[in-house]
Amino acid sequence: QGQLVQSVAEVKKAGASVKVSCRASGYTFNTYGINWVRQAPRQGLEWMGWISVYNGNTNYTQKFQGRVTMTTDTSTSTASMELRNLRSDDTAVYFCAKGGSHSPYDVFDLWGQGTMVTVSS
Amino acid sequence: DIQMTQSPSSLSASVGDRVTIACQASQDITIYLNWYQQKPGKAPKLLIFDASDLETGVPSRFSGSGSGTDFTLTISSLQPEDIATYHCQQYGSLPLSFGGGTKVEIK
Repeated sequence: QGQLVQSVAEVKKAGASVKVSCRASGYTFNTYGINWVRQAPRQGLEWMGWISVYNGNTNYTQKFQGRVTMTTDTSTSTASMELRNLRSDDTAVYFCAKGGSHSPYDVFDLWGQGTMVTVSS
Repeated sequence: DIQMTQSPSSLSASVGDRVTIACQASQDITIYLNWYQQKPGKAPKLLIFDASDLETGVPSRFSGSGSGTDFTLTISSLQPEDIATYHCQQYGSLPLSFGGGTKVEIK
């Protein structure tokens, strides 16, 4: 079934950058994509984008274009998401989620435990 | 972009009640609709994919239906462990998007 283990909580100043990691185990890492989803306090889920572990292709939502970079390291089965120029409204729990196939058009069938990122002004 | 609208935003029901949650897409997404359950402080968990297919290990009291723009998640007999927020998600078109969530509580 697999497991995704994310990095610990972060506290950042406005204008800084944060990098959240997501280590996969128990499945063939480079066969599936990884999605990043965030959830602001008491809010719904927001999809940020997707990366193909197989070839590095990415698809970011327009909202985060220019501020986000998603990468993977197949040698350590780890995906990472870097968000730059942080603002207070970026305060949220960030989740990685495994896609059900190599395509972004699919389910999120395995989730990390979430990483809380707090942005202070 | 496709907007997903869930209703109600919250509901309170008794143990054993039949519970229905609606999800409407702003455009036709055929059956490209998933449902997730999120318990407080936890990550979401996949319940139903392709509008009506039950994920392995999910109790049979959960079911999904619909196609096109209108979808429904039903819990046939609410149990105490079903207390959670339920989210629908479309994957018919990028960017992928979620509904606002429905919080289910016990009366």
